[in-house]
Amino acid sequence: DIQMTQSPSSVSASVGDRVTITCRASQGIRYWLAWYQQKPGKAPKLLIYAASSLQSGVPSRFSGSGSGTDFTLTISSLQPEDFATYYCQQANSFPRTFGQGTKVEIK
Amino acid sequence: QLQLQVSGPGLVKPSETLSLTCSVSGGSISTSSYYWGWIRQPPGKGLEWVGSVHYGGTTYYNPSLESRLTISVDTSKNQFSLNLNSMTAADTAVYYCAKHLFYDVHYFDSWGQGTLVTVSS
Repeated sequence: DIQMTQSPSSVSASVGDRVTITCRASQGIRYWLAWYQQKPGKAPKLLIYAASSLQSGVPSRFSGSGSGTDFTLTISSLQPEDFATYYCQQANSFPRTFGQGTKVEIK
Repeated sequence: QLQLQVSGPGLVKPSETLSLTCSVSGGSISTSSYYWGWIRQPPGKGLEWVGSVHYGGTTYYNPSLESRLTISVDTSKNQFSLNLNSMTAADTAVYYCAKHLFYDVHYFDSWGQGTLVTVSS
């Protein structure tokens, strides 16, 4: 299985901050990567697919980059509604696997 | 607008079979454009892809669950279902159903609300 490792596991930030989350795959997955946002008690929400494509309806402050094994999710200016847990997911190989999550907390 | 709704028992005894149904509204499950999937999340933990199905019957399963898992589609009811047998405490999780963004590409863009399934005697 491809292991997806996110860092950091948690980050404390303030409204307006730029936040970057990293996801590393244990082997190359080309651009087959998605990012999700999950709030407590809610289903995940797709933010980014194919490493850098913004899902319809997602604010442009979210962006993704990377290919191969190293990927990043950037929130350019953190908003109050962005405090949540973020997951990466690879769609290159079976079984599809997720990272362990990064919790973005209020500083 | 597409909506997915999970239904099924909240409590299952060890060794029994879990049966969950995902009802799709606002669109047809019988479209060749999409696969439909199941993802689960143990309490306080991360996400695990369980498996996916196309209305035509093609399935993809997580190998760690494949021997116990069946995912099927009922086009007449616009539903797809999960059956997982020989349940253990390790299967305790919130189970989500979801739609693939397009065809069999495993990005999930529409999700059901999830249902907590607890395995306990």
